[in-house]
Amino acid sequence: EQQVQQSPASLVLQEGENAELQCSFSIFTNQVQWFYQRPGGRLVSLLYNPSGTKQSGRLTSTTVIKERRSSLHISSSQITDSGTYLCAMSRNNNNAPRFGAGTKLTVKP
Amino acid sequence: EAAVTQSPRSKVAVTGGKVTLSCHQTNNHDYMYWYRQDTGHGLRLIHYSYVADSTEKGDIPDGYKASRPSQENFSLILELASLSQTAVYFCASSPGRVEQYFGPGTRLTVL
Repeated sequence: EQQVQQSPASLVLQEGENAELQCSFSIFTNQVQWFYQRPGGRLVSLLYNPSGTKQSGRLTSTTVIKERRSSLHISSSQITDSGTYLCAMSRNNNNAPRFGAGTKLTVKP
Repeated sequence: EAAVTQSPRSKVAVTGGKVTLSCHQTNNHDYMYWYRQDTGHGLRLIHYSYVADSTEKGDIPDGYKASRPSQENFSLILELASLSQTAVYFCASSPGRVEQYFGPGTRLTVL
């Protein structure tokens, strides 16, 4: 069973538009993290958000535990935001994290 | 200086051959993980470890073995490499929870 579902699978935006990425889970979790990956590159942590709303620069994540979902909002997208965004969750502190398939974001000039 | 390193960065192996991928971390983390990434599948967990000299199976362990001889080192071993194991392999360390720090990845091609 795929424990983490991400949508959309791909997204194309014009520079300056906002992006909304979604992640849903098959189980309840309070361990959610968003990652960014350039093609063929290392994964970089963006935001750890176990619940509620967390912001970092142009990134805002909202996690609603009882609805088993988390979202990542990217405001005023830039060409350099292009890449793949993955969310990960774990059941508890000692459980190995599982990842979604990712959302591939392309920002065009 | 990168806290999680992987070697080799890329490798071409022959079907049926043995392949060892190595991971080294200087984060002083107890948890280490091996994932593989294929197009459309995100990252899938192969093996992980909570402590030296102990490993656990992940979601897709078949065809892979793991070894954790020390807190800093975690290896992934393919005893008989197959075409289906062509992928990019990522190692990560973690202090616990979902927080993870990744290595640069190893691109493995099995011919």
